[in-house]
Amino acid sequence: GQQLNQSPQSMFIQEGEDVSMNCTSSSIFNTWLWYKQDPGEGPVLLIALYKAGELTSNGRLTAQFGITRKDSFLNISASIPSDVGIYFCAGLSYNTDKLIFGTGTRLQVFP
Amino acid sequence: NAGVMQNPRHLVRRRGQEARLRCSPMKGHSHVYWYRQLPEEGLKFMVYLQKENIIDESGMPKERFSAEFPKEGPSILRIQQVVRGDSAAYFCASSPTRENTGELFFGEGSRLTVL
Repeated sequence: GQQLNQSPQSMFIQEGEDVSMNCTSSSIFNTWLWYKQDPGEGPVLLIALYKAGELTSNGRLTAQFGITRKDSFLNISASIPSDVGIYFCAGLSYNTDKLIFGTGTRLQVFP
Repeated sequence: NAGVMQNPRHLVRRRGQEARLRCSPMKGHSHVYWYRQLPEEGLKFMVYLQKENIIDESGMPKERFSAEFPKEGPSILRIQQVVRGDSAAYFCASSPTRENTGELFFGEGSRLTVL
């Protein structure tokens, strides 16, 4: 089946640092999304990408839809303590209605 | 302005009992998705439903698991004769349209513990 691999699995950074994480797949997706999950909560949508090569920002977050349609990355600039959580990439392909989630990147921010 | 509502938030069952998890989608949303999250793992798709219809249940185990979304009332995920391996967080998500953009609104989840 389709799989999305995220790296790194976890990150421990200092407040104020920039963060970069990525997501790769062996399959092509026509939509890439990034979600964040806080402890004990459900995922919340951060950014959605609909075109290959698209670069989209949402505040301190920037995400890109890879040209090959098989990858995406998420950058967080000037991290703050509330950025702590698990970041999931998710992909959607033309021939399915189900969103496939990545394995997650766990982010810890130290003051 | 309620979001996706799931209950119960926490459920404890003994092996062999039944678990029923409920999900009320956001107002105006008629598409419901159920996902399962094992500890320290990502979310795995289980089933996609519209009112009175199961659209895609390819992620549901063939036995003991069933889901419904009746014309009136919440969507229900039912697990019969639970086993320890069913312990997980079960998330419901909803969307407003048939055309799935991937933009889902998730509930806070129901955490099932099987003793």
